[in-house]
Amino acid sequence: QSVLTQPPSASGTPGQRVTISCSGSSSNIGSNTVNWYQQLPGTAPKLLIYSNNQRPSGVPDRFSGSKSGTSASLAISGLQSEDEADYYCAAWDDSLNGSWVFGGGTKLTVL
Amino acid sequence: QVTLRESGPALVKPTQTLTLTCTFSGFSLSTSGMCVSWIRQPPGKALEWLARIDWDDDKYYSTSLKTRLTISKDTSKNQVVLTMTNMDPVDTATYYCARCIAAAGGEDYWGQGTLVTVSS
Repeated sequence: QSVLTQPPSASGTPGQRVTISCSGSSSNIGSNTVNWYQQLPGTAPKLLIYSNNQRPSGVPDRFSGSKSGTSASLAISGLQSEDEADYYCAAWDDSLNGSWVFGGGTKLTVL
Repeated sequence: QVTLRESGPALVKPTQTLTLTCTFSGFSLSTSGMCVSWIRQPPGKALEWLARIDWDDDKYYSTSLKTRLTISKDTSKNQVVLTMTNMDPVDTATYYCARCIAAAGGEDYWGQGTLVTVSS
């Protein structure tokens, strides 16, 4: 059971805009920033969004992140076939001595 | 460029201690703000963060696994070592090390991962 809750799956057609949600609590998303990772099949994860809405160099601006209260969202506009991947959110959790926590992941299918 | 590579045994027996080494290049763990994390992923399952060590030797551990984990660094060798005691079949996973920047958050460079199977 992951500390952060994501829908197990999402889908869209090429060109569409899709959003993936990530729900947490006051000890993680509610008080810390959120990162998003993309994991293509058989590869290591890649940092997609950090500090809620910042894109590392090289990440297309089709990818955007937002946060409100204890929830965060990843939006992908102009969906492309190569976006088919697993997406994970992550945040620092202040409970106990503190640690990073991940969501359970969302498998995005491009129809 | 920044690269990281995990190394360690592919197979360990239950109750044994796992020792993994992350050897990196392209950055220094003595540089202020740098850190290295370990994350694992059981086959077909989600990512799980394990531990992090910062440039100033601050260490952070997964709440659920902290009694079994130890992370350390050898700055001169550009290596970070993770040990996990009392291995169990449920610990079978691909183990990744990744560079992070403490202030910004997020692991921006990842190793390819190493699959560790726990079986007798």
